[in-house]
Amino acid sequence: QVQLVQSGAEVKKPGSSVKVSCKASGGSFSGYSSNWVRQAPGHGLEWVGSFIPVFGTPNYAQKFRGRVTISADDSTNTAYLELNSLRSEDTAVYYCAREGLYTIFDFWGQGTLVTVSS
Amino acid sequence: ETVLTQSPGTLSLSPGERATLSCRASQRINSANLAWFQQRPGQPPRLLIYGASKRATGIPDRFSGSGSGTDFTLSISRLEPEDFAVYYCQLYVDSPSVTFGPGTKVDIK
Repeated sequence: QVQLVQSGAEVKKPGSSVKVSCKASGGSFSGYSSNWVRQAPGHGLEWVGSFIPVFGTPNYAQKFRGRVTISADDSTNTAYLELNSLRSEDTAVYYCAREGLYTIFDFWGQGTLVTVSS
Repeated sequence: ETVLTQSPGTLSLSPGERATLSCRASQRINSANLAWFQQRPGQPPRLLIYGASKRATGIPDRFSGSGSGTDFTLSISRLEPEDFAVYYCQLYVDSPSVTFGPGTKVDIK
């Protein structure tokens, strides 16, 4: 069974950057899609972006293009989300998810709270 | 871009009752790309249903999905205490792009 463990909570200043990691055990990201979803406090789920191997490059939701990067390090079975130019509206729990047998969102990390505050 | 609308926003029921949750797409979609997720407080989402009607591994058979075209339904035949949660429908298209519905909260009456 694949398990995803994310890095710890972060507190950032507006205008700065954050990089969240997601380490897989019981499997890897190599050959599988890695995906990121966020959830602002008291709100629903919002797709940030995905790396799907068949497409070769990451794809991002329109609202994040230009300030988000999804990457992965196959040697450490770790996926990353980097978000730049942070603003207060980016305060949210960020979840990673990995492809499985059924969908590209079969397995989920526990979530990482990113708080953006001056 | 296809928009997903879920109704009702909140469903207040008692344990043992049947829950029926709706997800409507703004245009016809491929049922193969429609999934349902459950999210309990403080937990990440969990895949329940994929391909509109197929249960993921380990999901109890009281959960069932149905629908096609623009209208989809998640049914829970007899609510257990652990089923009180928020449920999201989700669409994946090969752009690729992912859309979540706004969610339906099932709470205890």
